[in-house]
Amino acid sequence: DAMVIQNPRYQVTQFGKPVTLSCSQTLNHNVMYWYQQKSSQAPKLLFHYYDKDFNNEADTPDNFQSRRPNTSFCFLDIRSPGLGDAAMYLCATSRDRGTGASEQYFGPGTRLTVT
Amino acid sequence: GQNIDQPTEMTATEGAIVQINCTYQTSGFNGLFWYQQHAGEAPTFLSYNVLDGLEEKGRFSSFLSRSKGYSYLLLKELQMKDSASYLCAVTDSNYQLIWGAGTKLIIKP
Repeated sequence: DAMVIQNPRYQVTQFGKPVTLSCSQTLNHNVMYWYQQKSSQAPKLLFHYYDKDFNNEADTPDNFQSRRPNTSFCFLDIRSPGLGDAAMYLCATSRDRGTGASEQYFGPGTRLTVT
Repeated sequence: GQNIDQPTEMTATEGAIVQINCTYQTSGFNGLFWYQQHAGEAPTFLSYNVLDGLEEKGRFSSFLSRSKGYSYLLLKELQMKDSASYLCAVTDSNYQLIWGAGTKLIIKP
C-alpha cells in the first residue's frame, strides 16, 4: 500500500545533542511537510517542500533544518534540542499545493523526548 | 489574525449522534478539512468542503456555511472507536492550511 513512513516512532535524545528524524513516502507526491504537535494543540507547520523548493515558516526556529534529497525522502534535523522541543513530529505529503483540495496524508509520527 | 475555534472536549453516548462545531476567521477561504486523530497517532482525513451544504460519507457528515464562517462534523451511530480528537483545518487565500486545536470526543457506553 502507498504510504508515508516515519522512523523512528519514538526517539529519545539528550539536551543539546543533534537528532535527525526521517520520513519516506511511496505516494510520489510533490509536496512534503513537517509539523510539530504538542499535546492538545494544533499541528504547527515548520516547513514544506514543493518538489525541491524549500519553504520555511517565518516563526520556525533556526534550530530546525530540513533536507529533501529526492522525491521519496525528507529529513528533519534538530541541531540542538531543548526541553521545549519535546513533541510529536508529523510528516505529511500532498499531491500538489495551491489547490484547496490537496488532502494531506500523514505518517504515524515520531514522538521526541528530550532528557 | 487567523483563527479557528472548536470546543475543547465533548462527551457522547455510544449509539447516539454528536455534532462538533468549528468557526473560522481566515484571510480568504479555499476549503475546509476535517481530520480524525486518535491519541498518539497521526491525523487521518475525514472530509473536505468547499461549497456550502452537507457532504455525507457513511456515518460521518460535514456541513459548511461560508457566509457564516462555520462548519460542523456530524457523527451518527457512535461507536467506542470514534473516541478521538477531531481537527478542523481551513485553507486560506495563500493555500496555507490553518489548523484548529481539535475537539476531544469521549464516547461512553
